[in-house]
This record gives sequence, C-alpha cells and structure tokens, in this order.
Amino acid sequence: DIQMTQSPSSLSASVGDRVTITCRASQSINNYLNWYQQKPGKAPNLLIYAASILQSGVPSRFSGSGSGTDFTLTISSLQPEDFATYFCQQSYSIPLTFGGGTKVEIK
Amino acid sequence: QVQLQESGPGLVKPSQTLSLTCTVSGDPISSGSYYWSWIRQPAGKGLEWIGRLHTSGSTNYSPSHKSRVTISGDTSKNQFFLKLSSVTAADTAMYYCARIEVGDTGGYTWFDPWGQGTLVTVSS
Repeated sequence: DIQMTQSPSSLSASVGDRVTITCRASQSINNYLNWYQQKPGKAPNLLIYAASILQSGVPSRFSGSGSGTDFTLTISSLQPEDFATYFCQQSYSIPLTFGGGTKVEIK
Repeated sequence: QVQLQESGPGLVKPSQTLSLTCTVSGDPISSGSYYWSWIRQPAGKGLEWIGRLHTSGSTNYSPSHKSRVTISGDTSKNQFFLKLSSVTAADTAMYYCARIEVGDTGGYTWFDPWGQGTLVTVSS
C-alpha cells in the first residue's frame, strides 16, 4: 500500500495568512493526488484533483502543486470559512489511501 | 446534479454483518465510466477506503477488509450496497458512500460527490 503522510497534523493561522500543507507519498505517484476539505460534521469536499486542477466552484485562493512524492496545498489568503481539516488522497494505485489530515485552526 | 444518501442500521452487534445502502439520484449507477465507493472514518480519525464498484459490475476492495467485504449494486433501484461481516468495535465509524469520477485522459480518479454519511456503532 502507498502511505500518505501529511504535515503538519495541525496548524493555527489568522484570517489573511498564507497557509501551506504538505503531503508526501511513500513512493512516486506521478501527479495522481487529490485534496479534500472536511468541516466538522460534514462529508469531505473535493478541492483539487490531479495535483493541481481546481475543482469547479472552488475559490481560486486554493492551489495545488507537486509531482512524484511531494505535494503541496496552498491557501493564498485564509478566509473564515477555510478553517477545516484537509486530506490528501492518492489515486495512483489500489488500495486508494488518504493522508492523516491537517486541521487548520484559528489563531 | 448527482446526490448520494446512505442508510442502514445505526447499531450492529459484534460478530454480525453490517449492511448499508447508498441511494443515488441524478445519475444511473450503470452508465458512464464511474465507480461507486465506500469510505469510513472513525470518530476523530482519518479516512479509510473500503472498496468500489464499477459501472461494469467489477469490484475492487482494500486488502484490509477484502475477506469481510462485499459491494454490490441494484441498477433497478439505483442503489449500491456495503456488507461487512464479522464486525467488531473497531468497525465503529461514520460510513460514507461516494462516486469516483474518472478523468477524460490519464486515468485520474477522484471522489466526488460524497453522501452525508451514516454513523454505525458496533456494540452489544
């Protein structure tokens, strides 16, 4: 199985901050990497697929980059509605696996 | 717009079989090149993929659950199902169904949309 490791596991930030979350795969997954946002009590919501393609309707302050084993999700200017937990997920091979999550909290 | 809704018992006794239904509206589960999938999330923890059903009827399962899991579908009701046998307390979780969309090129796939989830507790 491909292990996905996210860092940090949590972070505190203020509205307007630039936030970067990292996801590392245990082997190369090319750019078969997706990002999801999950708010408390809700299902995850797709933000980015294929490492860098923004899902329709997702604000442009979200961006993704990376290839191979190292990936980044960036929020350019954190908004109040962005406080949530973010998960990466590899779609390179079965079994599909997720990172452990990064909780973004209000400073 | 595709919508998914999970349903099933919220409480299952240890050693019994967990059975959940995902009802899909807005898209036939038999058409297109999609997969229909189950994912679970224990309280306060991360997401764990369980398995998927292709529109062709083929299935893939996580090795962690393969011996206990069956995913099937009923195209006449536009539903797909999860059966997980011999459950223990470790199977207590929020269970989500989701569609796996397949990109036009490159074989990229992603989970979208998701159902709202249904909480299953394993306890006597």
